Amino acid sequence: TQLLEQSPQFLSIQEGENLTVYCNSSSVFSSLQWYRQEPGEGPVLLVTVVTGGEVKKLKRLTFQFGDARKDSSLHITAAQPGDTGLYLCAGAGSEKLVFGKGTKLTVNP
Amino acid sequence: GAVVSQHPSRVICKSGTSVKIECRSLDFQATTMFWYRQFPKQSLMLMATSNEGSKATYEQGVEKDKFLINHASLTLSTLTVTSAHPEDSSFYICSARYGQREKLFFGSGTQLSVL
Repeated sequence: TQLLEQSPQFLSIQEGENLTVYCNSSSVFSSLQWYRQEPGEGPVLLVTVVTGGEVKKLKRLTFQFGDARKDSSLHITAAQPGDTGLYLCAGAGSEKLVFGKGTKLTVNP
Repeated sequence: GAVVSQHPSRVICKSGTSVKIECRSLDFQATTMFWYRQFPKQSLMLMATSNEGSKATYEQGVEKDKFLINHASLTLSTLTVTSAHPEDSSFYICSARYGQREKLFFGSGTQLSVL
C-alpha cells in the first residue's frame, strides 16, 4: 500500500513569514500533485510535478519533486492571509491518487 | 481548466431517507470518476472508483449496498447514500480524471447532514 506522510499537519504563522510543507513516502510515484482546498469547497489543483528533481514556481509558491520521486515539498515565501487553506499532496499510483493527510495553514494578518 | 459540477452543494435529510449526489464533467468526457469522503479538517478518503459502463470499485470498508454508484454516461456519475443515518453526515467530493495524465478535477463537494 502506497502511503504519503505529510507534515506538518497544522501550521499557524504571521503574515510575511516563509514556510515549507513536506510530503514523504517510501514509494515511487509517477507524478505528484499539490492541491489547495478552502472550507466547503473541493480541492483545486496547484501544480503537477513529474520529473525527479523538478522545481516549479507559481508566484510565491515553489514546488519541488525529489530526485527519487518519493518526496516533495511546497515552500511559500512571504505568506499572506489569502494563502490560508488546506494543502494536500497527492501521488499518482497505479490506478488512483494517494492523498496525504493535509496541512492546515493559517496565516494571521 | 476542466470543470466538474457537483450537486447539491448542501443537503439536510431525515434518518432513513436516501440522498443522491450528482457529479458532472461539463466540458470533457471522463471515463473514470472518484468519490471521496472528508471529515472536518481531515484529508480525503477515497470511497470508490466509478468507471463508465461498469461496476464501481469500492475501497475496503466501504459498503457498496450503502453507497450506490452509477456511472451511466461519460459525463455523469451519481452517488446515492441509501437509508442515511447521522453517522453518514460528512462532506462528499467527486473528481473526474482528465486526459491521459493523472490529473484530477474536483467538484465543489456536498455537505450531507442527516438528522
